[in-house]
Amino acid sequence: NAGVTQTPKFRILKIGQSMTLQCAQDMNHNYMYWYRQDPGMGLKLIYYSVGAGITDKGEVPNGYNVSRSTTEDFPLRLELAAPSQTSVYFCASGGDANTGELFFGEGSRLTVL
Amino acid sequence: QKEVEQDPGPLSVPEGAIVSLNCTYSNSAFQYFMWYRQYSRKGPELLMYTYSSGNKEDGRFTAQVDKSSKYISLFIRDSQPSDSATYLCAMMPLGGYQKVTFGTGTKLQVIP
Repeated sequence: NAGVTQTPKFRILKIGQSMTLQCAQDMNHNYMYWYRQDPGMGLKLIYYSVGAGITDKGEVPNGYNVSRSTTEDFPLRLELAAPSQTSVYFCASGGDANTGELFFGEGSRLTVL
Repeated sequence: QKEVEQDPGPLSVPEGAIVSLNCTYSNSAFQYFMWYRQYSRKGPELLMYTYSSGNKEDGRFTAQVDKSSKYISLFIRDSQPSDSATYLCAMMPLGGYQKVTFGTGTKLQVIP
């Protein structure tokens, strides 16, 4: 059982470039999330989805876009990369609203130079 | 004021010590309280969750919630070097699965 799979694990981008972080889960969870984690800042929610075709903004959505065409996949698009987007990005999924349990991927480390 | 406050540490303790990790919060709507553990260069994983007030025990770990004081704690007994990690508290309101709010995390090091 793979859980939540993120690709790539590491990426270096130049300012102004674009890229997509991929996220897939095999637990048939309706809820999926993208967080970024900066040192000393905890996890900040970028976007989330409550099911296929439904997405909404989180706390820090500027500079990002998402789509959710299937239950399994929830890619995060970075347009016109900026140094402020240097961070570790975590995708998560959740299926049990009674526990608040989220399952996280291993993270994607992005550096924008 | 942040919704969830957590001392970032780092906290360094000898093996076998009792560890106390804490968070305070300001949103009285929070009903679910979670503790996640995050090893270096890994994603967080759920350690314990509690609904509303009270205590919950799981092996060496005990979670406490005091809603009247808006204060939650995680106790680790007989701490082990393998407990060295960052511990994040997390909270969400009833029906608020899309509104899980995390603390900044406390980095714990257990020295053999």
